[in-house]
Amino acid sequence: DAKTTQPPSMDCAEGRAANLPCNHSTISGNEYVYWYRQIHSQGPQYIIHGLKNNETNEMASLIITEDRKSSTLILPHATLRDTAVYYCIVRGTDSSYKLIFGSGTRLLVRP
Amino acid sequence: DAGITQSPRHKVTETGTPVTLRCHQTENHRYMYWYRQDPGHGLRLIHYSYGVKDTDKGEVSDGYSVSRSKTEDFLLTLESATSSQTSVYFCAISEGTAKNIQYFGAGTRLSVL
Repeated sequence: DAKTTQPPSMDCAEGRAANLPCNHSTISGNEYVYWYRQIHSQGPQYIIHGLKNNETNEMASLIITEDRKSSTLILPHATLRDTAVYYCIVRGTDSSYKLIFGSGTRLLVRP
Repeated sequence: DAGITQSPRHKVTETGTPVTLRCHQTENHRYMYWYRQDPGHGLRLIHYSYGVKDTDKGEVSDGYSVSRSKTEDFLLTLESATSSQTSVYFCAISEGTAKNIQYFGAGTRLSVL
């Protein structure tokens, strides 16, 4: 599975958009990009995933560059409850379906 | 937590004792996983199961064994607990489709003294 690079920490103001970048320059054609988050000691929570098209759901938007070497998770109106560690994961389609977590980005949403 | 129950939620034990952690799901998902999380690390896969009696090792499987005799239950056993196995343990489940979203339990905090 391709490795990902994320900034260790970011912050944004409550109500503003949070844009979390992820670099996955060695991604291969059949590998999906997943985003999970972990709120203080809870189990990780799935946010969104995509292959090559941009995706949006009720939680966030995922923008994947045309060459697929990087992506951005967008939380359109961050709230204090969005303070968490955000993990960008690139996963292939092998039979184990396992996820390989990196260190993630610690997002602090300021009042 | 998507129909996933981990038990116990907290456990303190002594070095050398056996410990079994249980993950129970009500989603009838085919895949189940055990991860551990330590300070300064992301989650690391211990073992996973792709069906009843079908299991395989993850990246940090030494010192752990697993069993899955029913679809809904996945047990993680530390045969002889060591202090290095003090950690937070998370169970996850997934359908095993191409989309394969994993859903996680609330975790078990294990302290080995």
